[in-house]
Amino acid sequence: DGGITQSPKYLFRKEGQNVTLSCEQNLNHDAMYWYRQDPGQGLRLIYYSQIVNDFQKGDIAEGYSVSREKKESFPLTVTSAQKNPTAFYLCASSTLEAGSSYEQYFGPGTRLTVT
Amino acid sequence: GEDVEQSLFLSVREGDSSVINCTYTDSSSTYLYWYKQEPGAGLQLLTYIFSNMDMKQDQRLTVLLNKKDKHLSLRIADTQTGDSAIYFCAESPILTGGGNKLTFGTGTQLKVEL
Repeated sequence: DGGITQSPKYLFRKEGQNVTLSCEQNLNHDAMYWYRQDPGQGLRLIYYSQIVNDFQKGDIAEGYSVSREKKESFPLTVTSAQKNPTAFYLCASSTLEAGSSYEQYFGPGTRLTVT
Repeated sequence: GEDVEQSLFLSVREGDSSVINCTYTDSSSTYLYWYKQEPGAGLQLLTYIFSNMDMKQDQRLTVLLNKKDKHLSLRIADTQTGDSAIYFCAESPILTGGGNKLTFGTGTQLKVEL
């Protein structure tokens, strides 16, 4: 089955600890994205990557870091510098091929709770 | 910057049609998308429309685009209880090499009552 997997589904951490969220895709997509979703709000872009070993900050990158060492993988680290890390985190991917409709496909999400 | 707005709630009776509305500000939008999110899950792409189209129909779903007014709507015919979810519209600017950064609305919670 082709798709995007995120693990774990639920994650609990103590304040002050860094935590890494996993995102893997087997769709052969060039681009990958991380979003944060808070209750009653839309999705806000944290980081995105168009190609291996390159990534750009989104609208709310402070307190987060990413890496893109492989095309299939785009892990997100929530650092202790992120002031309000408790949220639902969604990973997505899309093709960047000319002539496509560039739609993004989403993983099932990871709910992070920091206490 | 770009802005996408949706009403927060919509309640309909099973079997009726639902119409979810969305307005956007970016006149360079190329593609507009509708996603569905069920509780605790990721977003599922429902349909999309290219900006040079006025309408797109896909089974029970009809998308209408008024580019002049920057207004997008999603009509769900014969709404079922399984359609209860949050619906997001999203717009994409012309792909210029900056990735395909989508701007999402805040989502419309659709509740289908028996």
